Amino acid sequence: DTGVSQNPRHKITKRGQNVTFRCDPISEHNRLYWYRQTLGQGPEFLTYFQNEAQLEKSRLLSDRFSAERPKGSFSTLEIQRTEQGDSAMYLCASSSGTSGGYNEQFFGPGTRLTVL
Amino acid sequence: AQSVTQLGSHVSVSEGALVLLRCNYSSSVPPYLFWYVQYPNQGLQLLLKYTSAATLVKGINGFEAEFKKSETSFHLTKPSAHMSDAAEYFCAVSKGGSYIPTFGRGTSLIVHP
Repeated sequence: DTGVSQNPRHKITKRGQNVTFRCDPISEHNRLYWYRQTLGQGPEFLTYFQNEAQLEKSRLLSDRFSAERPKGSFSTLEIQRTEQGDSAMYLCASSSGTSGGYNEQFFGPGTRLTVL
Repeated sequence: AQSVTQLGSHVSVSEGALVLLRCNYSSSVPPYLFWYVQYPNQGLQLLLKYTSAATLVKGINGFEAEFKKSETSFHLTKPSAHMSDAAEYFCAVSKGGSYIPTFGRGTSLIVHP
């Protein structure tokens, strides 16, 4: 399978615990994005990487959230001291380096986080 | 700033009927516009995109959308609904030079036999 993969698919944790999610993009894509999606809403942008550089972060991303993309390949999203409001689907997407705003993003299946 | 409004959180049609999902956008510059579909427990899949070429855009699975600048709309249509079209549909907008689309809240399409 050459699509975007995310692990784990589901994560249940207790409030206050740390969690880490992994995203493996399509291999030739240099851009990688993280989104959060809650029930009844569209995806909300969290952060964006071009290769290993984190170029943009949303104001939604509190300092409990951190993302990395070492070597410009897979990416991890860590949430520290989880809160119940962090419960959501976390989506990863990747795209190739086309110019301008046209960039077809290919999405992974998401990681569903439930914070008890 | 750009934004997207999808009218109707749910749209219900009979199999074989016309599908019309509405999307209005606001953007300070000529936008790029997208429609994505999300099936249960899956990621989003691009249906079609408008990037300032032809105003009538054809996508996958028989869907098409028309960019109307005067109405700031980008409605999605399909002449005949199929049961397999039941899913969540998201309209998204990005402005030239931005890699980050803004998504609407989504419209759930329900198809009755």
